[in-house]
Amino acid sequence: EDQVTQSPEALRLQEGESSSLNCSYTVSGLRGLFWYRQDPGKGPEFLFTLYSAGEEKEKERLKATLTKKESFLHITAPKPEDSATYLCAVPYFSGGYNKLIFGAGTRLAVHP
Amino acid sequence: NAGVTQTPKFQVLKTGQSMTLQCAQDMNHEYMSWYRQDPGMGLRLIHYSVGAGITDQGEVPNGYNVSRSTTEDFPLRLLSAAPSQTSVYFCASSRTSVEEQYFGPGTRLTVT
Repeated sequence: EDQVTQSPEALRLQEGESSSLNCSYTVSGLRGLFWYRQDPGKGPEFLFTLYSAGEEKEKERLKATLTKKESFLHITAPKPEDSATYLCAVPYFSGGYNKLIFGAGTRLAVHP
Repeated sequence: NAGVTQTPKFQVLKTGQSMTLQCAQDMNHEYMSWYRQDPGMGLRLIHYSVGAGITDQGEVPNGYNVSRSTTEDFPLRLLSAAPSQTSVYFCASSRTSVEEQYFGPGTRLTVT
């Protein structure tokens, strides 16, 4: 069964304390992996797309990496404004079309 | 570019009432989708469309209808609202089914 699992569910960091979020997936024939950021009361905001194992993408304090079975979102020296829920999603093929399956997300809180 | 717009932002319905959630995009995207987001469950796909005139069911389609008469618009209809449909609804669009999706701001629906 196609599945996307994110861990931890919630993470509390002090400002400047680096850490990583995990997204593991069981989807045959990976067609990409997406990371999103979601602020309370808003829609998810696209961050990165990764297509192949070994690929890395960076944006400010965030770096996303991809292996054959999981992806990591590394947060270096986070600031309070990085507090949000981070979602990952993977396309899967069903019924003749590709659809996205989302993980439940990691709620990140960064405290000054 | 307005991106993906959704109306209304908030809605309260009584059990058995019907309503339509509106979604529009101005990016000329072929792929559009509707998700619901419930606490602890992540985003779940309700219906999607790969182009004007073509729609299909997602993971949780029961109680919802969609149609796609134009590239820009993808309304979601609740036929007879039930308390189990209390949720936050997001519309999203992308160029193709395997590219990153862009989300609207969401509609918070409460059914009493």
